[in-house]
Amino acid sequence: DAGITQSPRHKVTETGTPVTLRCHQTENHRYMYWYRQDPGHGLRLIHYSYGVKDTDKGEVSDGYSVSRSKTEDFLLTLESATSSQTSVYFCAISDRGLAGVRELFFGEGSRLTVL
Amino acid sequence: KQEVTQIPAALSVPEGENLVLNCSFTDSAIYNLQWFRQDPGKGLTSLLLIQSSQREQTSGRLNASLDKSSGRSTLYIAASQPGDSATYLCAVGSPGANNLFFGTGTRLTVIP
Repeated sequence: DAGITQSPRHKVTETGTPVTLRCHQTENHRYMYWYRQDPGHGLRLIHYSYGVKDTDKGEVSDGYSVSRSKTEDFLLTLESATSSQTSVYFCAISDRGLAGVRELFFGEGSRLTVL
Repeated sequence: KQEVTQIPAALSVPEGENLVLNCSFTDSAIYNLQWFRQDPGKGLTSLLLIQSSQREQTSGRLNASLDKSSGRSTLYIAASQPGDSATYLCAVGSPGANNLFFGTGTRLTVIP
């Protein structure tokens, strides 16, 4: 299995509080991604990174920010959580960008509940 | 925007049966198409990747085909086993979008 660790795996928080999810990889892959998975929507890309300090928005980026200060870590922050951000969040990595990706490896997910 | 559809949403078959899962997409200009497996409470595992220039890929009992002109892909599973029970998702990579567009998946149950 690809070395991808997400933390925390489960979190319950209240509306308006900040939340940070962490993705840590040991594969030295250049590209890292944050997705959310919701019933009826499939997986949707939130943000991605193509290198240290290089990030870009995905399909559903509003309300989220990311940072990548080291190759191995990609953080997803919800500055002020809302109930609509209740979801399962997946981190993924690849050695190429998605247009030429050989394989996309996923973490096991972080289940976030915003009350 | 690329739209990816998987029908049916759920499928139950007896063990040993051969089966086909379907994936359709709206824009035929794609880079590649991937099939993933997701077990409950787990992340996604890549099963097969088909580049746009390819027609099919095989891995063990799995065979995926791609017909870009009709916007369709199928995942064929031979001699199904209870361990094949999972949700299967397809995802399409499209030019101009550094993104994979995912279908909502087909939940497969193989009955012993």
